[in-house]
Parts: sequence; structure tokens; C-alpha cells
Amino acid sequence: TQLLEQSPQFLSIQEGENLTVYCNSSSVFSSLQWYRQEPGEGPVLLVTVVTGGEVKKLKRLTFQFGDARKDSSLHITAAQTGDTGLYLCAGPRAGNNRKLIWGLGTSLAVNP
Amino acid sequence: GAGVSQSPSNKVTEKGKDVELRCDPISGHTALYWYRQSLGQGLEFLIYFQGNSAPDKSGLPSDRFSAERTGGSVSTLTIQRTQQEDSAVYLCASSPGWGETQYFGPGTRLLVL
Repeated sequence: TQLLEQSPQFLSIQEGENLTVYCNSSSVFSSLQWYRQEPGEGPVLLVTVVTGGEVKKLKRLTFQFGDARKDSSLHITAAQTGDTGLYLCAGPRAGNNRKLIWGLGTSLAVNP
Repeated sequence: GAGVSQSPSNKVTEKGKDVELRCDPISGHTALYWYRQSLGQGLEFLIYFQGNSAPDKSGLPSDRFSAERTGGSVSTLTIQRTQQEDSAVYLCASSPGWGETQYFGPGTRLLVL
């Protein structure tokens, strides 16, 4: 069974701090996606990583896909209150990539 | 342009009643997905529509759940004889085609008393 485990489950930091959240699996994924979900809204896609070892940057957010394509990380530099939200990773299910497997998410609170 | 919209935004119902949840996808998007998001459970795939193809219903948890998509646009998710464990946020997403970026609506928060 393919699973995506995200850690930490909760994170509360002060504005200006750096942080890293993780998305891990024992299975290989052809790609992984990162989403941010704010309260009362649906998830919004931030990035898709496809190639093992790939690093993508989106302003202060850096996404990395593990060499073996089993894990990914999201690093935020100098966090801002606007970064607060639930960060979800998701990847296509083997054999039926219409369905995404979702992690439970990391709930991030950035305090002023 | 308008994003994915869902209605109602909140629904409180009594156990045993039927509910209908509506999703208006982005115009021109051929793919439409329904998900359920529960505390501690993450997003659970329910059903997928792609154009005129037969829907992928493999994620529906029981035969109390059904969905249709009329005219390739608006979709309705129906839950019959609701149970307390059906309480969750029901999210709809659409994409231009299969495998492309999914755009989510704000969800319908369902509470079954």
C-alpha cells in the first residue's frame, strides 16, 4: 500500500524563522505535488516535482525531490504570517494515476 | 475568470436524511473530481469524471453515495440516508484534462447530527 507520511504534524514558529517539512514514503512515486490549504478553502497547488534529486524554488519556498523519488521536503526561509496554512503532499497512485494519494499534512502557524 | 464553486458552503442535517452537494467546475475543464476530507484522515478520493467517459466510482465508500455530472459541467454528489461518519468537508476539483493541475473549490462542510 502506498502511503505518504508528513512530518511534523504541527509546527508553530515566529515570523522570520526558517523551517523544513517532510513528506516520506517507502514507495517510489513518479512525481509528488505540494499544496497549501488555508482555512475554509480548498488546497492550492504550489509545485510538482518529477525528477529524482530535483530542486524547485518558489520565492522563499524550496522544494526537493529525493534521489530515489520516495521523499520530498519543503523548506521555507524567513517565514511570514501569510505562510500559515496546511501543507499537503500528494502523489499519483501506481497503476491508476488519476487518483492521488495524499499525506495528512503539516499544519503551520507563523506567529507575528 | 471564476474558479470552482461549491454549494452549499455548510450543511447541517439529521441522521437518515439525504443531502445533495453541488459543484460548478471551471468553464471548459473536462475533468472533475470529488474528495472527502476528514480530520485525521486526509483527502480521500471519491469519484472522477472525464469528458463523456464512464466515471471512475472506485472511491465511493458505500452505495449510499452517488454522483452525476450533467452536460459535462455541473456535478452533484448525493449522500442518501446520511450517517454521522459522513460528517466531513467535501471538496470538488476540476482540471483542463486528465493528469493536469487540479483546481479545488472551497468545499462543503457537512455535519450529520
